[in-house]
Amino acid sequence: QVQLVQSGGGVVRPGGSLRLSCAVSGFTFTDYRMHWVRQIPGKGLEWLSFIQADGRSKYYADSIKGRFTVSRDNSNNMLYLQMNNVRPDDTAVYYCARDFNWGCDHWGRGTLVTVSS
Amino acid sequence: QSALIQPPSASGSPGRSVTLSCTGTSRDVGGYNYVSWYQQHPGKAPKLMIYEVNKRPSGVPDRFSGSKSGNTASLTVSGLQAEDEADYYCNSYAGSNIWVFGGGTSLTVL
Repeated sequence: QVQLVQSGGGVVRPGGSLRLSCAVSGFTFTDYRMHWVRQIPGKGLEWLSFIQADGRSKYYADSIKGRFTVSRDNSNNMLYLQMNNVRPDDTAVYYCARDFNWGCDHWGRGTLVTVSS
Repeated sequence: QSALIQPPSASGSPGRSVTLSCTGTSRDVGGYNYVSWYQQHPGKAPKLMIYEVNKRPSGVPDRFSGSKSGNTASLTVSGLQAEDEADYYCNSYAGSNIWVFGGGTSLTVL
């Protein structure tokens, strides 16, 4: 079955860095585009980033552009979100998700990132 | 990249129907047939309920249906059941490989 297993969340100081990982299985990773989405606790969903199946093209929401970088390792079925220069308003649950016809049909369970000094 | 507009709350009685709205612009909802809807229960990841405006993924009950008129998309839940009580989010492709979510609607089954 399709699985997206996330790791890498935790507490990070403002201005610091963190890398989120999403290990996928149960489908041919190289056939699918992928997204990152976040949710501030108690608030709505925010689309963050999209990466093409071959990893060559990457796109970002304005809120993270220049600070976060999406990447993938198709050899090891891994998706990443490198978070640099984090701010307190980056505190959220971060989800990886598989693209399906411009929607997201499978999601990780989410990982909490807390930015605090 | 402005968020799509959803009413914060909606409610309906068991067995009745409720329609949730999602208003965008011609640059997102009105410009593409790539509207999706997600159901989220507390503490859980979102679940895809509708994609490409009106298509249901395998396993989603046909009580859920989607539509679009101009810049507004809608999700209708028919035959409301207690398990339908959740937050619902719309999402639209907005061109240039950018997506945008709505603020979400909290659905209460009375």
